[in-house]
Amino acid sequence: EDKVVQSPLSLVVHEGDTVTLNCSYEVTNFRSLLWYKQEKKAPTFLFMLTSSGIEKKSGRLSSILDKKELFSILNITATQTGDSAIYLCAVEYYNTDKLIFGTGTRLQVFP
Amino acid sequence: DAGITQSPRYKITETGRQVTLMCHQTWSHSYMFWYRQDLGHGLRLIYYSAAADITDKGEVPDGYVVSRSKTENFPLTLESATRSQTSVYFCASSESGGGTEAFFGQGTRLTVV
Repeated sequence: EDKVVQSPLSLVVHEGDTVTLNCSYEVTNFRSLLWYKQEKKAPTFLFMLTSSGIEKKSGRLSSILDKKELFSILNITATQTGDSAIYLCAVEYYNTDKLIFGTGTRLQVFP
Repeated sequence: DAGITQSPRYKITETGRQVTLMCHQTWSHSYMFWYRQDLGHGLRLIYYSAAADITDKGEVPDGYVVSRSKTENFPLTLESATRSQTSVYFCASSESGGGTEAFFGQGTRLTVV
């Protein structure tokens, strides 16, 4: 059965800490892996990863994909309270556009 | 069955036709969302609803209409389908607007020809 597993389920840190969120997958016909941030009303798109070893970066956030070991990590450096959110990982199938989402990692950043 | 279900799973329609995508959830979640997902993009929010009879626009609302007469249902209507609306549509629900997981349906793949 195809699945996407995120860990940890929940994370509590202080401002300034660096965090690493994990996403592993077992999916046939993999096309891409996506990261979302969900806060307030809806998830917002962060990154789409299709190739192994190529880091995507946006400010303090970065992500990389390992297609051999079937996982991705999302790093957030110098965390801020505004980073508090649920981070969702999703895997996209080839040829179907279907997405499977992980259950998310809830990150709480305290001052 | 418990959960969030979308129907139909696949739909082909002609340009100019009206089409409605259904979404039903069994958790009595307050919030429900409609997204579209296109190649090269992440999820883009079309409309969302915080409760029955309360709806609001998201990022890309043009050409879509929603209603929420009952908590468990959140249909999305394309009033006059266009080819640019060919996409995969995801419905989601959550207990509150933020800080809790959003549970997504399996998606509806809509093709407008």
